Amino acid sequence: KNQVEQSPQSLIILEGKNCTLQCNYTVSPFSNLRWYKQDTGRGPVSLTIMTFSENTKSNGRYTATLDADTKQSSLHITASQLSDSASYICVVSSTGAGSYQLTFGKGTKLSVIP
Amino acid sequence: DVKVTQSSRYLVKRTGEKVFLECVQDMDHENMFWYRQDPGLGLRLIYFSYDVKMKEKGDIPEGYSVSREKKERFSLILESASTNQTSMYLCASSSSTVSNYGYTFGSGTRLTVV
Repeated sequence: KNQVEQSPQSLIILEGKNCTLQCNYTVSPFSNLRWYKQDTGRGPVSLTIMTFSENTKSNGRYTATLDADTKQSSLHITASQLSDSASYICVVSSTGAGSYQLTFGKGTKLSVIP
Repeated sequence: DVKVTQSSRYLVKRTGEKVFLECVQDMDHENMFWYRQDPGLGLRLIYFSYDVKMKEKGDIPEGYSVSREKKERFSLILESASTNQTSMYLCASSSSTVSNYGYTFGSGTRLTVV
């Protein structure tokens, strides 16, 4: 069964500090991996998307990494801001036999405090 | 930018009512999806559609139906709303079933059934 596990479940950090969120997956066949940011009460917004051949992708202060061998991804946030407080969801896409499937992690809830 | 618009941010309905949730996308995407999101469970796929008048069941279709009469519009229908359908409902669209390019969410509808 395809699964995406995220850790930690929640995280509190001080404004200005860095943090790293983890995503481990068992999805096959692998197509791509996305990180989404979801503010409370809003829909998820895409931060990055990585295919099998990509190891790192940045979007401003957000940097995602992908190790397709170990099936792990991380999202690193640099110099955190209060507006980074949100849930971060890891989503892995799989294709096979003509079907289409996304597997969602349950998210990491990040709280940035002054 | 792709825009996925959900008609209501908040909705309160009574048990037994028929409820329509509307979703419109403006980028001519072939694929549209309905998810529900509950604390601790993450996003779960209710129904999706690859084309006009085409629909397929997702992981939790029971108690729901959908309609796609036009390419840009995908409606989720709760035939007889129940309290266990209180949830955040998210619509999404994408332009490709293979690369998942442009997979974009709407802002969500928070439905409360009383």
